[in-house]
Amino acid sequence: NAGVTQTPKFRILKIGQSMTLQCTQDMNHNYMYWYRQDPGMGLKLIYYSVGAGITDKGEVPNGYNVSRSTTEDFPLRLELAAPSQTSVYFCASSNTVENEKLFFGSGTQLSVL
Amino acid sequence: AQKITQTQPGMFVQEKEAVTLDCTYDTSDPSYGLFWYKQPSSGEMIFLIYQGSYDQQNATEGRYSLNFQKARKSANLVISASQLGDSAMYFCAMRAHTGRRALTFGSGTRLQVQP
Repeated sequence: NAGVTQTPKFRILKIGQSMTLQCTQDMNHNYMYWYRQDPGMGLKLIYYSVGAGITDKGEVPNGYNVSRSTTEDFPLRLELAAPSQTSVYFCASSNTVENEKLFFGSGTQLSVL
Repeated sequence: AQKITQTQPGMFVQEKEAVTLDCTYDTSDPSYGLFWYKQPSSGEMIFLIYQGSYDQQNATEGRYSLNFQKARKSANLVISASQLGDSAMYFCAMRAHTGRRALTFGSGTRLQVQP
């Protein structure tokens, strides 16, 4: 059971560089999410998707873009990386049942220097 | 809008004792769910327990129980018989049963279990 798989696990970027964080799930979940976690803080929602072709902004979307061309994949794109984007990024998924928990990936630790 | 407040940045507990981690929430949604997640130092998010807003009884999962007081908008996590492996960050979160269904997280409580 793979669950939610994120790659890479670690990455260092220079200011102004771009990258894509990959996320894939094999549970046929409709809902997928991207969160960021700054040191010592809770998780904040960046973007979410309720199904293939449908995405929307969360609390902190600036500097990021997403796409959802398939049910399985939900990549997060960072354009023009800034030091403020240094964080741990979590991808998560869930189905539509009310009491269904979110399944989280193992996270990507990103540093922008 | 939803808001979760965890007022205890850090807590200490002796091994084998019980501990309560506080969580209050605010929402205008009539139907919602409350979750607790554990985040050990390795960083993964581990689901612990769920409470629905219309559930009549408090949720329990092994050593974890959720003290749900709807009128006070509180959803405290009780861990009984603490173990050294319980040392971690604990996050309270809520999710409306309509709309985007994303979890809104609190800032967390760091629990340290002492031998």
